[in-house]
Amino acid sequence: NAGVTQTPKFQVLKTGQSMTLQCAQDMNHEYMSWYRQDPGMGLRLIHYSVGAGITDQGEVPNGYNVSRSTTEDFPLRLLSAAPSQTSVYFCASSDRGRNRYGYTFGSGTRLTVV
Amino acid sequence: SQKIEQNSEALNIQEGKTATLTCNYTNYSPAYLQWYRQDPGRGPVFLLLIRENEKEKRKERLKVTFDTTLKQSLFHITASQPADSATYLCALDDNSNTGKLIFGQGTTLQVKP
Repeated sequence: NAGVTQTPKFQVLKTGQSMTLQCAQDMNHEYMSWYRQDPGMGLRLIHYSVGAGITDQGEVPNGYNVSRSTTEDFPLRLLSAAPSQTSVYFCASSDRGRNRYGYTFGSGTRLTVV
Repeated sequence: SQKIEQNSEALNIQEGKTATLTCNYTNYSPAYLQWYRQDPGRGPVFLLLIRENEKEKRKERLKVTFDTTLKQSLFHITASQPADSATYLCALDDNSNTGKLIFGQGTTLQVKP
């Protein structure tokens, strides 16, 4: 099992550019989430999904879009990158019926917007 | 407003001692609380989950308590080792049955030999 795979690991964007952060899991988990982590701020929820075709906004959704066409994939799209979106992004997944066992996180994408 | 607070100051302890980390929350009624460990440059790793109707949960050298009256969880590492040095995060579900987790900002633990 690969677990949760995020690509790319590092990315530099210019202000105004768009890009997609990829996230894939091979554990057949229904729950998936995207977080951003900034120094001193902890993990903040951007968007989450409880299953294919179902997504919802978290705490800081502005400037980001998501879709969940399959159980395995949950890409995060930056529509028009801004320096405020410089952060480390984590994708995570969990089994819905056994969420009591916690989330599995990817290794993160470090994004810099210049 | 809803808030989760962990001690933002780093906790420095001597090897062999017990480390105790605190997680306080307000305006939540979580069904359960989770603790994660995060090493620099890595994603968080799940450690323990405790439900609202459980007072205490143990796993090897780890112990978590959950007091829903005080709205507080304590995370203990007994016989601490330098390898336990990391940032520890607590997370609450928001009781919406969506699996949505809200995280505290984390406490960094440094165990000195």
